[in-house]
Amino acid sequence: SSELTQDPAVSVALGQTVRITCQGDSLRTYYASWYQQRPGQAPVLVIYGKNNRPSGIPDRFSGSSSGNTASLTITGAQAEDEADYYCNSRDSSGNHWVFGGGTKLTVL
Amino acid sequence: EVQLVQSGAEVRKPGESLKISCQGSGYSFTTFWIGWVRQMPGKGLEWMGIIYPDDSQIRYSPSFQGQVTISADKSISTAYLQWSSLKASDTAMYYCVRRDYYASGRPGDWFDPWGQGTLVTVSS
Repeated sequence: SSELTQDPAVSVALGQTVRITCQGDSLRTYYASWYQQRPGQAPVLVIYGKNNRPSGIPDRFSGSSSGNTASLTITGAQAEDEADYYCNSRDSSGNHWVFGGGTKLTVL
Repeated sequence: EVQLVQSGAEVRKPGESLKISCQGSGYSFTTFWIGWVRQMPGKGLEWMGIIYPDDSQIRYSPSFQGQVTISADKSISTAYLQWSSLKASDTAMYYCVRRDYYASGRPGDWFDPWGQGTLVTVSS
């Protein structure tokens, strides 16, 4: 089992706001990063650090962190946001990295 | 443009060996860690291990220690993932990733870019 826990599936109506969460003890110490994976494609970094977006990622994507939980928020979800989302951070030892199990986002 | 370009798809039989590659370009290859990620069919992402090409420091995930070998040749900006004896359960997509991180303040890493993936199929 993963040291980072995500809900397996989340849905959101088109244009609404959705939050995807990632829980783990290591998140009290380390920032998480978030990756979007569309079907048949390689994952893409969407959020890292406190709340940073790589170039080319829309500003409707944002990140936050509180205690042992990191969150990815999509404000005004679009059809193209339908994808799997994975969080990543260090494990409890701090010497390795681990992914959450992934959240499948459906845009209705 | 920073890029990681991986070698092409491979088909092998159980028990055979394999080495796949990941070539970096557009940045100083020796100053960023390169990691490997497995994705089995229909499943999530799994962290395998990471190498620092400048001095070949390696950290393996406990789940993959002894199962694969990670290496790098900094003279040609290429990292490798290899198996000495493949199993059917090694069938998966494998991605290489470049690690970046905060040098000060609260620690955090991120992985960008990702290679396009190498599909490894192991079947008799």
